[in-house]
Amino acid sequence: DTAVSQTPKYLVTQMGNDKSIKCEQNLGHDTMYWYKQDSKKFLKIMFSYNNKELIINETVPNRFSPKSPDKAHLNLHINSLELGDSAVYFCASSQEAIAGGFGTQYFGPGTRLLVL
Amino acid sequence: GDSVTQMEGPVTLSEEAFLTINCTYTATGYPSLFWYVQYPGEGLQLLLKATKADDKGSNKGFEATYRKETTSFHLEKGSVQVSDSAVYFCALSNRGSTLGRLYFGRGTQLTVWP
Repeated sequence: DTAVSQTPKYLVTQMGNDKSIKCEQNLGHDTMYWYKQDSKKFLKIMFSYNNKELIINETVPNRFSPKSPDKAHLNLHINSLELGDSAVYFCASSQEAIAGGFGTQYFGPGTRLLVL
Repeated sequence: GDSVTQMEGPVTLSEEAFLTINCTYTATGYPSLFWYVQYPGEGLQLLLKATKADDKGSNKGFEATYRKETTSFHLEKGSVQVSDSAVYFCALSNRGSTLGRLYFGRGTQLTVWP
């Protein structure tokens, strides 16, 4: 069973379009994340949701909007796509910190977005 | 603020060579430290972790020891294989930071030749 899944795996689109990436986790975790990885492999956190509540909202253009319909899903919608949005987007999930504990993050396989 | 610095790659080794990838961190308090690995075309996977000073994390022949005195968590493997070719990320998570946030280093590309 896939723990964290993302769709689509590849996304090629034109500048100015609107697109969504979906993420689902079946681990029962209560926190989910979106990361952007650039061509040099640098990972940057974009958003984090805990129990459907936005926890981390990094300096990301407001063209990017996360939506969490329930604890198991965190989707990413991108409006007016730009060339610079081309990257690999990773979803991750974790069971959040309890006293003395830290949740390991489990990553999805990534969505490779290419904006032409 | 919290941050991780890891050695820049790429690192190229022959099979059975010894591997060290350096990682140092800056954090207040007592962070947990992680190494994640990303194989080509895949997402990140946890390789090993350590949650307190002097802990040693180990997995698949890789080891890293949490050294608070030198604020380091260097990754080592005694004999690398071609299948170890991947990008390795050092990361930390801190109780004092935003819930669950991981701070990643920039990644080190490892290529192992037969």
